[in-house]
Amino acid sequence: DIQMTQSPSSLSASIGDRVTITCQASQDISNYLNWYQQKPGKAPKLLIYGATNLETGVPSRFSGSGSGTDFTFTINSLQPEDIATYYCQEYDNLRTFGPGTKVHI
Amino acid sequence: QVQLVESGGGLVKPGGSLRLSCAASGFTFSDYYMNWVRQAPGKGLEWLAYISSSSSYTNYADSVKGRVTISRDNAKHSLYLQMHSLRAEDTAVYYCARVLVGTLGAFDMWGQGTMVTVSS
Repeated sequence: DIQMTQSPSSLSASIGDRVTITCQASQDISNYLNWYQQKPGKAPKLLIYGATNLETGVPSRFSGSGSGTDFTFTINSLQPEDIATYYCQEYDNLRTFGPGTKVHI
Repeated sequence: QVQLVESGGGLVKPGGSLRLSCAASGFTFSDYYMNWVRQAPGKGLEWLAYISSSSSYTNYADSVKGRVTISRDNAKHSLYLQMHSLRAEDTAVYYCARVLVGTLGAFDMWGQGTMVTVSS
């Protein structure tokens, strides 16, 4: 099965900062990679699908890139409401999630 | 209202069984692949199972294979997860999630979750 890793596991940033999270798959998953945001006590929210596609209604400060085994998720100009945990997820094989990256101020 | 609502969680003893339900409304349920995902307290997301729109295809995570069965009733707009031989490590919030049309694995709608606690 495919294993997903994320780095960092947590990060501290300031409002207005650019935040970058990386996700690595243990084997080539093409562009079958999603990114989710989860706030405490809430269900996850889809932000990016197919590695680079912004889900409808998601602010354009969120973006994704990469293919194969290495992927990047970026928040341009971090906003207070972006404080959350972010997960990558592959859907080339099963639907494995990465361990998550907690973003805090 | 477009939504997914899980039910059926609760306290169950180790070795017990439980059936979770997910009621869909506001969209054509029969058009969508569906999934179950869980999250243990303070932990990350763990995908459990998916089922195709017509129930032709299912797949399971190794961690639950043989102990859980995903099913659906399109006429009742409902998704189910039957769980057996429950263990303490199955304690989690269980979410149902809809797959975005045009993808096979992007979950664009989630329920609010139902809590399952396995304890004696």
